[in-house]
Amino acid sequence: EDQVTQSPEALRLQEGESSSLNCSYTVSGLRGLFWYRQDPGKGPEFLFTLYSAGEEKEKERLKATLTKKESFLHITAPKPEDSATYLCAVQASSNYQLIWGAGTKLIIKP
Amino acid sequence: DTAVSQTPKYLVTQMGNDKSIKCEQNLGHDTMYWYKQDSKKFLKIMFSYNNKELIINETVPNRFSPKSPDKAHLNLHINSLELGDSAVYFCASSQDVRSYNEQFFGPGTRLTVL
Repeated sequence: EDQVTQSPEALRLQEGESSSLNCSYTVSGLRGLFWYRQDPGKGPEFLFTLYSAGEEKEKERLKATLTKKESFLHITAPKPEDSATYLCAVQASSNYQLIWGAGTKLIIKP
Repeated sequence: DTAVSQTPKYLVTQMGNDKSIKCEQNLGHDTMYWYKQDSKKFLKIMFSYNNKELIINETVPNRFSPKSPDKAHLNLHINSLELGDSAVYFCASSQDVRSYNEQFFGPGTRLTVL
């Protein structure tokens, strides 16, 4: 069964303290892996798409990487405005719908 | 200019009532979706329409019926509401369901069934 697991469920960091979020997946053929950010009371906002193992994408303090089994979202020197829930989703080659993880709630303290 | 809009933002109603949530996108996308996000923040696909045609229909009770009058609109009608229907419902759109497209989400509708 296609599945996405994110860890940790929640992560509290001090401003400037770098860390990584994990997204592990099992899927029968990966078409794409997506990272989204969700702020409280809002819909998810697209960050990155990764297509194949070894690929990396960067945006400001965020860098997403992909292996055959997992993806990492690295956050470098985070700021309080980076606080949000980060969601990972995969699109399998067997169908077109996205399979979502439960998210990691990231809290950056000033 | 709002890309994906939903109305209403909040909906509080009694068990057994019928309600609708409206969604519109002005991005010119072909594909629209309805998601349910439960209290644990887990997003689950309910329906997807591509050019007004239903392409994804997950295991959702028959009380939920999507309607797409045109490709810019996807409404969700819910009959005989139950307590377990309480959740946040998100509408989303993407350029095409078959390619690796990002999805654009609306602000969500928080449904509370009393």
